[in-house]
Amino acid sequence: QQQVKQSPQSLIVQKGGISIINCAYENTAFDYFPWYQQFPGKGPALLIAIRPDVSEKKEGRFTISFNKSAKQFSLHIMDSQPGDSATYFCAATSNYQLIWGAGTKLIIKP
Amino acid sequence: DAGVIQSPRHEVTEMGQEVTLRCKPISGHNSLFWYRQTMMRGLELLIYFNNNVPIDDSGMPEDRFSAKMPNASFSTLKIQPSEPRDSAVYFCASSAGGKEKLFFGSGTQLSVL
Repeated sequence: QQQVKQSPQSLIVQKGGISIINCAYENTAFDYFPWYQQFPGKGPALLIAIRPDVSEKKEGRFTISFNKSAKQFSLHIMDSQPGDSATYFCAATSNYQLIWGAGTKLIIKP
Repeated sequence: DAGVIQSPRHEVTEMGQEVTLRCKPISGHNSLFWYRQTMMRGLELLIYFNNNVPIDDSGMPEDRFSAKMPNASFSTLKIQPSEPRDSAVYFCASSAGGKEKLFFGSGTQLSVL
């Protein structure tokens, strides 16, 4: 019940396309859902986060869609750029302990 | 602000040796986390400090691992004795309040031969 399942494991998108990464959770007590971006040799960095009282949050080209009834949330990257190539992690929590997805390696082809 | 600073960036050691990883959190942050990242197990929380006090160390794999936070600007993670299965990237992260917006350091790549 503590797991966060993330898919796909890897994703290749053409420059300018839309990248979509999905996550699903079981624990209905989770109240904070962040996405982190990690470049090789660096630590994860917070990209965008959402709480379950809203269905969507947008920051620039990045959007989180949240479906509380389905217990799913997804990250959409619009107009994907080569600089977006990185590993993306979803997470969920109700306290200090983030439960992490396994990560998605995103490659944007020029 | 320089962000979360970890040292060393890389550590290569032999099995049985003591390893000490260091972390300087962002000034003013009261929460500090030590994580371990491997391909097999992903990101694992090892220990969480709040206001320099260890709150949850249930993720520390075994007694060979210990962590301290003697003051608000410094923390250490020690492995003694080290084993090859400890090889991983160890991250320190800090935040101004628990789960919200963790800032990660660049990590220490540990290789135990």
